[in-house]
Amino acid sequence: VQLAESGGTLVQPGGSLRLSCAASGFTLSSYDMNWVRQAPGKGLEWVSYINTRNITVYADSVKGRFTISRDNAKNSLYLQMNSLRDEDTAVYYCAFAVGAIRNGMDVWGQGTTVTVSS
Amino acid sequence: DVVMTQSPLSLPVTLGQPASISCRSSQGLVYSDGKTYLNWFQQRPGQSPRRLIYQVSNRDSGVPDRFSGSGSGTDFTLKISRVEAEDVGVYYCMQGTHWPPYTFGQGTRLEIK
Repeated sequence: VQLAESGGTLVQPGGSLRLSCAASGFTLSSYDMNWVRQAPGKGLEWVSYINTRNITVYADSVKGRFTISRDNAKNSLYLQMNSLRDEDTAVYYCAFAVGAIRNGMDVWGQGTTVTVSS
Repeated sequence: DVVMTQSPLSLPVTLGQPASISCRSSQGLVYSDGKTYLNWFQQRPGQSPRRLIYQVSNRDSGVPDRFSGSGSGTDFTLKISRVEAEDVGVYYCMQGTHWPPYTFGQGTRLEIK
């Protein structure tokens, strides 16, 4: 079971970026998925969630700017990030819970780094 | 949102000695199903987070039994009975009871003295 994030790069404030998370060793469509981020030298912040019926939830800090989605045929998860701000600079992890979602994420990717700067 | 407060934020420990991290929530964490969704994560330097404990005291597969979790209501503790070098890193508590959102504590950095 593995998750591999990609798509992180340097982007200017106000710009857009799409992160991808490729799943291997399991069928992503069977699980609810999350994005969690970590700003440089800071703690963990949950960003977004999508369940198996494509119901989505967002942190207030990204609501209206970020969109989580999944492509079951490609076994992949995405995070479309628009109107990026300096404070969105972080390592972004995709993660999921094998068991109850309230137990938090027990499988994590290695992360991809997004830097928002002019 | 529920605020999670950890202490201490920095924890120097001698190898082989015990360590204890406290986590306090701004609201009680008992869910309507009777379970308490307080979880602990470890993040070693340069690595992704890893869940250690879920529902206060249940160790994840592969987690050494020197790690234990306890607590109830709003006060929780992660204990390491004998610290080893591989335990260096940052430890986070996280609540799932009042999801969404998940909220994490600030993190406690464990280092070897």
